Amino acid sequence: GENVEQHPSTLSVQEGDSAVIKCTYSDSASNYFPWYKQELGKGPQLIIDIRSNVGEKKDQRIAVTLNKTAKHFSLHITETQPEDSAVYFCAALPPLAGGSYIPTFGRGTSLIVHP
Amino acid sequence: KAGVTQTPRYLIKTRGQQVTLSCSPISGHRSVSWYQQTPGQGLQFLFEYFSETQRNKGNFPGRFSGRQFSNSRSEMNVSTLELGDSALYLCASGPSSYEQYFGPGTRLTVT
Repeated sequence: GENVEQHPSTLSVQEGDSAVIKCTYSDSASNYFPWYKQELGKGPQLIIDIRSNVGEKKDQRIAVTLNKTAKHFSLHITETQPEDSAVYFCAALPPLAGGSYIPTFGRGTSLIVHP
Repeated sequence: KAGVTQTPRYLIKTRGQQVTLSCSPISGHRSVSWYQQTPGQGLQFLFEYFSETQRNKGNFPGRFSGRQFSNSRSEMNVSTLELGDSALYLCASGPSSYEQYFGPGTRLTVT
């Protein structure tokens, strides 16, 4: 089955700096890669996703890049703000028969943005 | 649109008991999935329902079961609770099984 490694497990940055979180996956058939943000006491929130036919996607201060050859994808947050502090999860989804998917998640990165 | 809602938000049960958790998906979403989140194992997929049919199941014992109703609402049941079942149980819904939106979760504590 799919295996997803996520690094680093903790990331501490100063407000205004950039943050990068990296994930690698094992199943070359995976073709959908979402990123989730989970704040304390809440469920994960889908913040951005990328499909395998796209190399990069941006949404304001957030961007995701995908390298299918190397089987890794990264989340980039620019101009970080204290409200970006949360746990971030990546996931990789290989397609199954019938058009369904089962996600495999990374272990999460705790991002701390210091004011 | 209202988000995914889960009830109850917190639950304390005793070993050996059973529990039923409820999930109301976002209106129009036909796919509902359940996940278990623990500090030790992370986020793990339990099962997915689509149009009242279980489409996929994760690697969990048969004590974990679920169902989906015609209005897409879903329930998850855990029988013969064990201490290791203590976790945050998350429900997610989506227009497809890959684009998923999570609810706030039900925190289950087994004593």
